[in-house]
Amino acid sequence: AQSVSQHNHHVILSEAASLELGCNYSYGGTVNLFWYVQYPGQHLQLLLKYFSGDPLVKGIKGFEAEFIKSKFSFNLRKPSVQWSDTAEYFCAVTRDSSYKLIFGSGTRLLVRP
Amino acid sequence: GAVVSQHPSWVICKSGTSVKIECRSLDFQATTMFWYRQFPKQSLMLMATSNEGSKATYEQGVEKDKFLINHASLTLSTLTVTSAHPEDSSFYICSAPPGTANYGYTFGSGTRLTVV
Repeated sequence: AQSVSQHNHHVILSEAASLELGCNYSYGGTVNLFWYVQYPGQHLQLLLKYFSGDPLVKGIKGFEAEFIKSKFSFNLRKPSVQWSDTAEYFCAVTRDSSYKLIFGSGTRLLVRP
Repeated sequence: GAVVSQHPSWVICKSGTSVKIECRSLDFQATTMFWYRQFPKQSLMLMATSNEGSKATYEQGVEKDKFLINHASLTLSTLTVTSAHPEDSSFYICSAPPGTANYGYTFGSGTRLTVV
């Protein structure tokens, strides 16, 4: 069955540290990849998405992600985190022509000031 | 941009009663709506897909008779939790896929259901 794995369940960083959150999927066909963020008490917001083209995708708030097809990965990165980045981050995938979004288990990021 | 209005935001109900959650697309037509459930500190689990004019498609393990989904019009999809029990307490979120020109999903603000 198709799955999305986020191996880091909790991450704690100090401000200005660099961030990388892992995301792997288990589907060999065509995929579309997403990263969403959920701030405390708010609903999901799209950070970035990849459909095709340049595998390095730039998103909002200084986030970027790189699609590595050979590794079935779509890791999220940010060079320097801020306290306001404290949130939960979800990787999500759709496959082929389906609109069905499958989410990873999420990573809770805590940035200490 | 596209907005999905979800109501109620939170609801407390007694065991055995039914609760209806509505999701309306405000400035676009949604022929499809996805319904998710999110337990505390866990991810969003897709429960079912509602389709305007046809029966909903349920994910494996989701009880169709317990979670009734209706897509009454191009702007309204509802989820009814029937004979609710405390284990149904969760956060329910709807999401509309966009048109093919724009691959941005629109999420409702969610409904916090507490069954006592």
